[in-house]
Amino acid sequence: SQTIHQWPATLVQPVGSPLSLECTVEGTSNPNLYWYRQAAGRGLQLLFYSVGIGQISSEVPQNLSASRPQDRQFILSSKKLLLSDSGFYLCAWSRGKVSSYNEQFFGPGTRLTVL
Amino acid sequence: AQTVTQSQPEMSVQEAETVTLSCTYDTSENNYYLFWYKQPPSRQMILVIRQEAYKQQNATENRFSVNFQKAAKSFSLKISDSQLGDTAMYFCALSNFGNEKLTFGTGTRLTIIP
Repeated sequence: SQTIHQWPATLVQPVGSPLSLECTVEGTSNPNLYWYRQAAGRGLQLLFYSVGIGQISSEVPQNLSASRPQDRQFILSSKKLLLSDSGFYLCAWSRGKVSSYNEQFFGPGTRLTVL
Repeated sequence: AQTVTQSQPEMSVQEAETVTLSCTYDTSENNYYLFWYKQPPSRQMILVIRQEAYKQQNATENRFSVNFQKAAKSFSLKISDSQLGDTAMYFCALSNFGNEKLTFGTGTRLTIIP
């Protein structure tokens, strides 16, 4: 069976500090990978998605970046955090072109607080 | 661009009753998928039910069923015999066939009252 991991689970960082959130998927190959941000009491905003190693598409211009160094690893980064980067970050995967339903499977999330 | 609208920010219902959550959407595509996701207090997003737009039959999963009205672009979720564990945020989502990106609504916070 497939599983998706995210770490850390919670993170408190000062403004201007760097950020690195990691997501890994097990039990599948060539997944599509996604990063979402969920502000308090709001829906999900797609930040980045990737259909393969080194292939990153950005949905929202911002001071965040994403990388996919390995097939099942997706990293969200920032060089300098802003207060507005606070939120709940969710990683998700889907089966990509072989998918019949386009459904996405979500990780447990990372709660980021920027002070 | 596609949009998903959930017009009920919050709802509450007594345990064992039936509740219906509303969702409308807009897309220019003819082939697409619709989903309902549940986010309990743990914040883990869980797929509740999915519907392919080319299927006329409404999807059902145990106590969960949908009312899919393609012409009206409506996709409501009905929860029967509601349980305390159904308390959660519920998100409606849409993806077009051949495009794996999901567009989410803003969610409905559902509270089941004992």
